Amino acid sequence: GENVEQHPSTLSVQEGDSAVIKCTYSDSASNYFPWYKQELGKRPQLIIDIRSNVGEKKDQRIAVTLNKTAKHFSLHITETQPEDSAVYFCAAGNTGFQKLVFGTGTRLLVSP
Amino acid sequence: DGGITQSPKYLFRKEGQNVTLSCEQNLNHDAMYWYRQDPGQGLRLIYYSQIVNDFQKGDIAEGYSVSREKKESFPLTVTSAQKNPTAFYLCASSDLAGQGKTEAFFGQGTRLTVV
Repeated sequence: GENVEQHPSTLSVQEGDSAVIKCTYSDSASNYFPWYKQELGKRPQLIIDIRSNVGEKKDQRIAVTLNKTAKHFSLHITETQPEDSAVYFCAAGNTGFQKLVFGTGTRLLVSP
Repeated sequence: DGGITQSPKYLFRKEGQNVTLSCEQNLNHDAMYWYRQDPGQGLRLIYYSQIVNDFQKGDIAEGYSVSREKKESFPLTVTSAQKNPTAFYLCASSDLAGQGKTEAFFGQGTRLTVV
């Protein structure tokens, strides 16, 4: 089955810096890669996703890149703000079958 | 107001007792899921269901059971066979892939503590 590894487990940056979180997956059949943000005490919420027919996707300060050959994908946050502080989860799945496998999460702390 | 609702928010259980966590959605989603969240381990899939009266085991199904008698409801029972049930449980729902939408929406979670 699919296995997703996520690094780093914690990441501390200064406000305005960029943050990068990386994930690798094992199943070449996976073709859907979402990223979720979970603020303290709240439910995970989708912030961006990418499908395997696309190499990069941007949404304002957030971007995701995908390298299918190497089986890894990354989340990039530019101009970080304190409200970006949260736990971020990557996931991999197959749109033909909705079962998502999640990474172990990255706790991002943005200091003012 | 559409969404996915879990209840209760906090639940305490004595060892040896079964307990049922509720999950209800009014998003008309076909697929529903139960995940367990432990510190440092991310979200692990317990059970999922793509259609009424059908469900499949996830990666950590031992000690859990589910039912899917209605499209909008997917209750999870934590049985006494689950050796380490204290955790945060998240329910989610989504459309099926064939409908072109794959985003999973999560409930607010139930924190279960065994006392």
